Amino acid sequence: AQKVTQTQTSISVMEKTTVTMDCVYETQDSSYFLFWYKQTASGEIVFLIRQDSYKKENATVGHYSLNFQKPKSSIGLIITATQIEDSAVYFCAMRGSSGSWQLIFGSGTQLTVMP
Amino acid sequence: EAAVTQSPRNKVAVTGGKVTLSCNQTNNHNNMYWYRQDTGHGLRLIHYSYGAGSTEKGDIPDGYKASRPSQENFSLILELATPSQTSVYFCASGPGVSNERLFFGHGTKLSVL
Repeated sequence: AQKVTQTQTSISVMEKTTVTMDCVYETQDSSYFLFWYKQTASGEIVFLIRQDSYKKENATVGHYSLNFQKPKSSIGLIITATQIEDSAVYFCAMRGSSGSWQLIFGSGTQLTVMP
Repeated sequence: EAAVTQSPRNKVAVTGGKVTLSCNQTNNHNNMYWYRQDTGHGLRLIHYSYGAGSTEKGDIPDGYKASRPSQENFSLILELATPSQTSVYFCASGPGVSNERLFFGHGTKLSVL
């Protein structure tokens, strides 16, 4: 069975600093896809960034980047130069490559960026 | 930008009543999904669809039915609503490739009294 675990329930950081959010996953698939989504205070859920398991390079989009450690089944989200508007809940998610289209989500990490 | 619209945005239902949550997407995506969000559980998949006429069970399908009458529309049906189904429900769509990103609607807050 596939599983995604986010152990950090909440994190608080000062504005303009760097934060890392942890995520570990379990899968039997040899190929899989890892995602991070952001849920704002209004409830809107938006896609942030993706890592394909067969790619060695860590994905980067704007001030979001990933720390993909395949041997540890870990995919951390790094936000550099945090801004107040980065305050949100961040979800890690995974989809395997064998058959099902199911996207499995972690329980989320609440990030608060303080001025 | 992909548009996924859910209706209603808020719903209060009585125990034992029938509830239908509707979702419409305008981007010709093949895949559509219904998730529920509860504190401490993140997003859990209820039903999904690969295209018009198809529905598949997700992780927590009990007590829910789904209907995909067209490419654009995907409904979630609670035939006999129970208080345990009080939650926020999200619809999402995706183009139907393995590394697809999902586009989410704004959610429906359902309260079953």
